[in-house]
Amino acid sequence: EAQVTQNPRYLITVTGKKLTVTCSQNMNHEYMSWYRQDPGLGLRQIYYSMNVEVTDKGDVPEGYKVSRKEKRNFPLILESPSPNQTSLYFCASSLSTSGKHEQFFGPGTRLTVL
Amino acid sequence: AQKVTQAQTEISVVEKEDVTLDCVYETRDTTYYLFWYKQPPSGELVFLIRRNSFDEQNEISGRYSWNFQKSTSSFNFTITASQVVDSAVYFCALSEAGRDDKIIFGKGTRLHILP
Repeated sequence: EAQVTQNPRYLITVTGKKLTVTCSQNMNHEYMSWYRQDPGLGLRQIYYSMNVEVTDKGDVPEGYKVSRKEKRNFPLILESPSPNQTSLYFCASSLSTSGKHEQFFGPGTRLTVL
Repeated sequence: AQKVTQAQTEISVVEKEDVTLDCVYETRDTTYYLFWYKQPPSGELVFLIRRNSFDEQNEISGRYSWNFQKSTSSFNFTITASQVVDSAVYFCALSEAGRDDKIIFGKGTRLHILP
């Protein structure tokens, strides 16, 4: 089944404790992206990747890191999480980088930073 | 500047009524793509439709229809004979062909269908 998976789905952590949210897609998609969703703010792009070893900042990259060592995986790293990073996170992938293809979203990761 | 505005934050209608969700966009590109996504209470994001800037034909899919008007930079979504299962947050999104990296989402409209 074609899908985007994220792990964990739920995470409660404390300020400063490094964490990684994994994202994997099995559709051989070139484009992958991370978003955070906050009430009243909609979806905001954190980082995106147009292919292996090609990543760039979105609108709200501060406090996050990503890597794209393999085409299928695009982990999101919070080196020192803070309470303002409490949010619902979505990973997405798209067939190409042309902008014309829809994105497939993972199920979301709800992160709480205490 | 690239921007998507969904002015309706929240809408409530009674089941079987028709409802239209508004989406207004801004772009300087002549080639761009518009999308609608649905986020039901379970939280996942579901793709509904894609439209490119050269195709202004309206589209109908069952009870769903979309009205794309370049003259007013709008891409509105209508649900006919609404059902409780239509209750969700709906997002409109825009991507520009020349800017592969940028996909901008509106802030979403929360739709409540009351039984």
